Amino acid sequence: DARVTQTPRHKVTEMGQEVTMRCQPILGHNTVFWYRQTMMQGLELLAYFRNRAPLDDSGMPKDRFSAEMPDATLATLKIQPSEPRDSAVYFCASGLGAPTGLHTEAFFGQGTRLTVV
Amino acid sequence: DQQVKQNSPSLSVQEGRISILNCDYTNSMFDYFLWYKKYPAEGPTFLISISSIKDKNEDGRFTVFLNKSAKHLSLHIVPSQPGDSAVYFCAATARGGTSYGKLTFGQGTILTVHP
Repeated sequence: DARVTQTPRHKVTEMGQEVTMRCQPILGHNTVFWYRQTMMQGLELLAYFRNRAPLDDSGMPKDRFSAEMPDATLATLKIQPSEPRDSAVYFCASGLGAPTGLHTEAFFGQGTRLTVV
Repeated sequence: DQQVKQNSPSLSVQEGRISILNCDYTNSMFDYFLWYKKYPAEGPTFLISISSIKDKNEDGRFTVFLNKSAKHLSLHIVPSQPGDSAVYFCAATARGGTSYGKLTFGQGTILTVHP
């Protein structure tokens, strides 16, 4: 049963602390997305990777957010320092992309609910 | 700059009737459109998609219509069932260019189907 796995599912942290969210994409998928769900903006794209290389991270506040893919089985999203306005649900998704476009739809993980107090 | 817009935050429909969810986009480079459904505490799941070379795609109770000249698409659910109650997200992508495969989502529409 192939699925995108995100950890942790929930995280409560104090303002100023570092937060790391992890994602294991579906085996064989070469495209990984990080989205943030907020009430006002819906699903905002923070960053996405193809074949582990960052393609677009323009949606991410660069001063505090960073996204990496140390290897093909792990994507990380880090916030340092965290702020209350970062409280949201963060989703990772993976898909199979090619130069002609996305072969398949993106599959989402269950999300990490982050609360910064 | 919201390139994909779902202007109705919520929609309430009686069971058995038609649900119509709407989506507008501004980027003329978008050539592939998707609808996702999301239940509480779960990630979005893919529902149906349509390529810009088509104006309609049907899958069971779900039909997506695309009007390229108006930059508008809609999702029709007939007949609506209580289990369809969820948040529906419209998404779009351009399958060419440097950002190929990048999925841009709308704000979502909460659909409630009453028994």
